[in-house]
Amino acid sequence: QKEVEQNSGPLSVPEGAIASLNCTYSDRVSQSFFWYRQYSGKSPELIMSIYSNGDKEDGRFTAQLNKASQYVSLLIRDSQPSDSATYLCAVNRASNSGYALNFGKGTSLLVTP
Amino acid sequence: KAGVTQTPRYLIKTRGQQVTLSCSPISGHRSVSWYQQTPGQGLQFLFEYFSETQRNKGNFPGRFSGRQFSNSRSEMNVSTLELGDSALYLCASSPSIGDTQYFGPGTRLTVL
Repeated sequence: QKEVEQNSGPLSVPEGAIASLNCTYSDRVSQSFFWYRQYSGKSPELIMSIYSNGDKEDGRFTAQLNKASQYVSLLIRDSQPSDSATYLCAVNRASNSGYALNFGKGTSLLVTP
Repeated sequence: KAGVTQTPRYLIKTRGQQVTLSCSPISGHRSVSWYQQTPGQGLQFLFEYFSETQRNKGNFPGRFSGRQFSNSRSEMNVSTLELGDSALYLCASSPSIGDTQYFGPGTRLTVL
């Protein structure tokens, strides 16, 4: 079983709609969760971090975390064509010696005008 | 604040050669992590450094190594390059271990 799983997409939504991106993880002791956006040919850019169960909102973005279900999601309201990118879910996994971010393979989002 | 910087941005090497990549973290950040990104495998963790010590290592062969200097700058080295090492190598910095990581622009390595 992959440690962090995402639907690869592409997820296509019309401009102005809500885009819903989902992620599941396997390590129950994971404590911190992140969403990064990556445009083609660029490096990942942090969108949101979330640490506690529930919702966290930042502008048009809302991250949702459910540790019991091992599920993280990202909602993008009023989607814009500039939101078209790959969205990476990352889970911070602690070991005896340190931390490592485990990434899903990303969901490709296409917002059509 | 200036972001994470990586040099060089692009590299072309041939099989068997070695390569050194450099990363300067955000000012004040003491932890540096390295990742390899390929279309097939996605983003994979290579190693994490804090206070000049490697704190964690991913599942990569010993040809991949790194180090961190007292000013928190980091380098990674890949020896005896293979075609499969062609990838985008990303450095990320954070204030401390386990904190939110911010990525640099990456170094695109092509092995011929």
